[in-house]
Amino acid sequence: DTEVTQTPKHLVMGMTNKKSLKCEQHMGHRAMYWYKQKAKKPPELMFVYSYEKLSINESVPSRFSPECPNSSLLNLHLHALQPEDSALYLCASSPGQGIRNTEAFFGQGTRLTVV
Amino acid sequence: DAKTTQPNSMESNEEEPVHLPCNHSTISGTDYIHWYRQLPSQGPEYVIHGLTSNVNNRMASLAIAEDRKSSTLILHRATLRDAAVYYCILGPSGNTPLVFGKGTRLSVIA
Repeated sequence: DTEVTQTPKHLVMGMTNKKSLKCEQHMGHRAMYWYKQKAKKPPELMFVYSYEKLSINESVPSRFSPECPNSSLLNLHLHALQPEDSALYLCASSPGQGIRNTEAFFGQGTRLTVV
Repeated sequence: DAKTTQPNSMESNEEEPVHLPCNHSTISGTDYIHWYRQLPSQGPEYVIHGLTSNVNNRMASLAIAEDRKSSTLILHRATLRDAAVYYCILGPSGNTPLVFGKGTRLSVIA
């Protein structure tokens, strides 16, 4: 199984709502990532987890809160988002944190709309 | 961070070969060269990677210049399904994750 599964595929939320994005992989990968992608732009790295510990936070606002409950799961908790946070949120995993001589696997993303 | 430069867009006819260039003049000796692509409405997917020698797999070939300052992704017979944004990314040593540049948007014409 070489899939990274993200749920939900689409999400519409109000600015006062709290919601969570979920990501799951069963490849035994120890690094997991969240990326944000705006229309017609490349994916931007948000967070990196390595061995279930937060390794990199790319100065992401605190209204985005990542969580890694176990080695297969990665969540992104959302609270008090702004309309400009509307984007495609991508999850990825790789065997280890560095991608020097390995490949990363991406999910299909969650299309988030903040109203 | 080592940077890559790619053309913004390219166009190809269906069933013709496509050569997608990437310049990485500041590459270090230990950086791998990775290619990913993103089809419309999908997450990025791995295409190929290499260090010094040319590489082939079922999807594409990667030709790396002798001085490693440039590389070319070769799709041997473009299909409509190959229309995507192609990203050339350097994978340095250590724990650096994937960082995407602007990529090349490939259009394939029937």
